[in-house]
Amino acid sequence: EVQLVESGGGLVQPGGSLRLSCAASGFTLSGYWMTWVRQAPGKGLEWVANIKQDGSVKYYVDSVKGRFTISRDNAKNSFYLQMNSLTAEDTAVYYCARWYDSSGYYFIDYWGQGTLVTVSS
Amino acid sequence: QTVVTQEPAFSVSPGGTVTLTCGLSSGSVSTSHHPSWYHQTPGQAPRTLIYRISVRSSGVPDRFSGSILGNKAALTITGAQADDESDYYCVLYMGSGIWVFGGGTKLTVL
Repeated sequence: EVQLVESGGGLVQPGGSLRLSCAASGFTLSGYWMTWVRQAPGKGLEWVANIKQDGSVKYYVDSVKGRFTISRDNAKNSFYLQMNSLTAEDTAVYYCARWYDSSGYYFIDYWGQGTLVTVSS
Repeated sequence: QTVVTQEPAFSVSPGGTVTLTCGLSSGSVSTSHHPSWYHQTPGQAPRTLIYRISVRSSGVPDRFSGSILGNKAALTITGAQADDESDYYCVLYMGSGIWVFGGGTKLTVL
């Protein structure tokens, strides 16, 4: 059974840093693009970042470029989101998820349950 | 920057049919945007509904269908049920590795 479990969320002060982890099980992590998606309280979903199977390619939404870094360790079946220079606008539930390639057509097929990041003094 | 548009809210009667759409502030949605649909109830993680425009994810009832209608991706619920009350999101690929979710549609069944 495919499972994605986030950890590392919590309360952090503005300007601070946090590292989120996503532990994957039930599939071979190295075979998939992976992603972080966030949802601010009462708001919609926002794509944050993607990372290619071998970690060689990464993409970010403009609002986090230069502050967030997505990475992965396939040997540990985990991938990560390092978040620096956090602001109140980064307060959200962060979901890790898997992109599935259906003959060149991509979509998210599995989601974690989310971890809450609160940026507040 | 191109915005992905969805109706903020929609209402449907039990047993009724409703079509939610996913468009672009500039241009038309096509297969190159890889449109897919997700739904989410309060406090829960999103779940996948439709991908590849019209393919239902595993376990999704056949009352859910996807299509391209005019210049938008569309999600149609035929024979809506009470537990279809949810937030519905689409996501589109914008090129250069960038994906954008629509703002979501809050569907009420009453």
